[in-house]
Amino acid sequence: ETGVTQTPRHLVMGMTNKKSLKCEQHLGHNAMYWYKQSAKKPLELMFVYNFKEQTENNSVPSRFSPECPNSSHLFLHLHTLQPEDSALYLCASSQELGTGGLTDTQYFGPGTRLTVL
Amino acid sequence: AQSVAQPEDQVNVAEGNPLTVKCTYSVSGNPYLFWYVQYPNRGLQFLLKYITGDNLVKGSYGFEAEFNKSQTSFHLKKPSALVSDSALYFCAVSSNDYKLSFGAGTTVTVRA
Repeated sequence: ETGVTQTPRHLVMGMTNKKSLKCEQHLGHNAMYWYKQSAKKPLELMFVYNFKEQTENNSVPSRFSPECPNSSHLFLHLHTLQPEDSALYLCASSQELGTGGLTDTQYFGPGTRLTVL
Repeated sequence: AQSVAQPEDQVNVAEGNPLTVKCTYSVSGNPYLFWYVQYPNRGLQFLLKYITGDNLVKGSYGFEAEFNKSQTSFHLKKPSALVSDSALYFCAVSSNDYKLSFGAGTTVTVRA
């Protein structure tokens, strides 16, 4: 285990539902990330938080809403999703946002497999 | 802009044979290069990284990678592959910030 947990591991939701994904890291890190992984495509960075402050929103649709109440927890709130949003959503953490070196290694959780009907 | 290319979607090798997974990168500035592995229904696991120094980097599970600046490559290697090495491998690059650009991944199958 990497020290990053995600719940739920699987989620099926309708387009009108509201659900949330949860990520928790036990590594004492200060930076947390949300990625989207679709089949046969590179990982897409969605959001980045550093010391609870959002530093990156990679042109993500507003139907995805992140929340970072503290450095250990990260949420992704979902509402009115589309079928094309079905994917594996990965959370990651790193020591902090840096310029290379040991601090930049990102450690990933197991992901939440999301299916939108 | 930065990017990574993994030219092979799939690599198939026999157990005990050498394994190579190719990666080339494009970045302005100094590259920071990473390899991750993903087993079925799991997240990405960090294998190794190159920041500076020796061009040959040793990582977890007997893997190593060689940084070649002139060829802008960072190929992953293992001298003797195991069936348990069968997984999806990702190369990633960053340059002077936290944003990692990932390749599309290479599926490695090691047959017994």
